[in-house]
Amino acid sequence: KNEVEQSPQNLTAQEGEFITINCSYSVGISALHWLQQHPGGGIVSLFMLSSGKKKHGRLIATINIQEKHSSLHITASHPRDSAVYICAVTGNQFYFGTGTSLTVIP
Amino acid sequence: DVKVTQSSRYLVKRTGEKVFLECVQDMDHENMFWYRQDPGLGLRLIYFSYDVKMKEKGDIPEGYSVSREKKERFSLILESASTNQTSMYLCASSFRHHYGYTFGSGTRLTVV
Repeated sequence: KNEVEQSPQNLTAQEGEFITINCSYSVGISALHWLQQHPGGGIVSLFMLSSGKKKHGRLIATINIQEKHSSLHITASHPRDSAVYICAVTGNQFYFGTGTSLTVIP
Repeated sequence: DVKVTQSSRYLVKRTGEKVFLECVQDMDHENMFWYRQDPGLGLRLIYFSYDVKMKEKGDIPEGYSVSREKKERFSLILESASTNQTSMYLCASSFRHHYGYTFGSGTRLTVV
């Protein structure tokens, strides 16, 4: 069972490109989280959102509750953005996507 | 900033050993969680706790137990380690349900 689906699984981009990672979920939720994990590192929470849109620097997260879909956008991508990005939802339980591995090439 | 500290970054244990993974948070968070992360499977919830001495099973509790005697500390115990428990273990905490998570840096456990 995959309550949270992310796409793509792997993504390679040139520095400066605009990047979009998608997340769809099938359960009722109270919040959706976008997390970032660098190689060998711990996980950092980027956003928690339950409606609309949030922006932090070059990162933008949007959510459409009716369509049960969220997107994470990275503008002007940089090699330091290379990481695994994980979508997670909280409802009655906690569900995680399997992550999107992003590599940004200089 | 909230800090979640996991006692070991890397750990190698033998099959059959009893293993303790410790997690401490310093911001009085009520909720604490243990996950394991495996390639292609993502993060899977092992156990979580909403309060001291309280514990709830997650998706994959078999082979694990937990202890939360103090609010700031949540321990994961592998009663008899097996090779299929080789994984990255991540601890997380949150103030309350529906609040943001803070994760520890992870413990990479290898069982030989």
